[in-house]
Amino acid sequence: GENVEQHPSTLSVQEGDSAVIKCTYSDSASNYFPWYKQELGKGPQLIIDIRSNVGEKKDQRIAVTLNKTAKHFSLHITETQPEDSAVYFCAASKRAGSYQLTFGKGTKLSVIP
Amino acid sequence: DVKVTQSSRYLVKRTGEKVFLECVQDMDHENMFWYRQDPGLGLRLIYFSYDVKMKEKGDIPEGYSVSREKKERFSLILESASTNQTSMYLCASRVGGVTEAFFGQGTRLTVV
Repeated sequence: GENVEQHPSTLSVQEGDSAVIKCTYSDSASNYFPWYKQELGKGPQLIIDIRSNVGEKKDQRIAVTLNKTAKHFSLHITETQPEDSAVYFCAASKRAGSYQLTFGKGTKLSVIP
Repeated sequence: DVKVTQSSRYLVKRTGEKVFLECVQDMDHENMFWYRQDPGLGLRLIYFSYDVKMKEKGDIPEGYSVSREKKERFSLILESASTNQTSMYLCASRVGGVTEAFFGQGTRLTVV
């Protein structure tokens, strides 16, 4: 089955700096890669996703890049703000067959004011 | 907005009890999932269902079962609760393989 590795497990940045979280996946058939943000006491919420037919996607201060050859994808947050502090999860999924999402172990991001 | 609702935010149960965790979604999604979240381990899939009365085991199904009698409702059952099942349980639903999964707010279960 799919295996998703996520690094780092914790990340502290100064407000205004950039944060980068990296994930690798094992199943070359995976073609959908979402990123979820989980705030304290809440369920995870999708912040951005990318499909395997594109290499990069941006949404304001958030971007995701995908390298299918190397089987890794990354989340980039620019101009970080204290409200970006949360746990972030990457995941991978396939179009066909079972529709389960396989998640990384998460990154706790702390933005220091 | 899609809504996934879990019946309880917090539950405390005794060892050996049979425990039911309920999840309801309001967007007619075919696929529903139960995950368990533990510190340092991320989200691990317990069971999922791709249609009414259909279910498949995830990565950690031992000690759990599920029921899906109606499309909108997916129940997780702990047949005989044990202390190592103390955890946060998250329900999710989605349409297909390249679409967003929507999560409930989670149920924090403590087994004493």
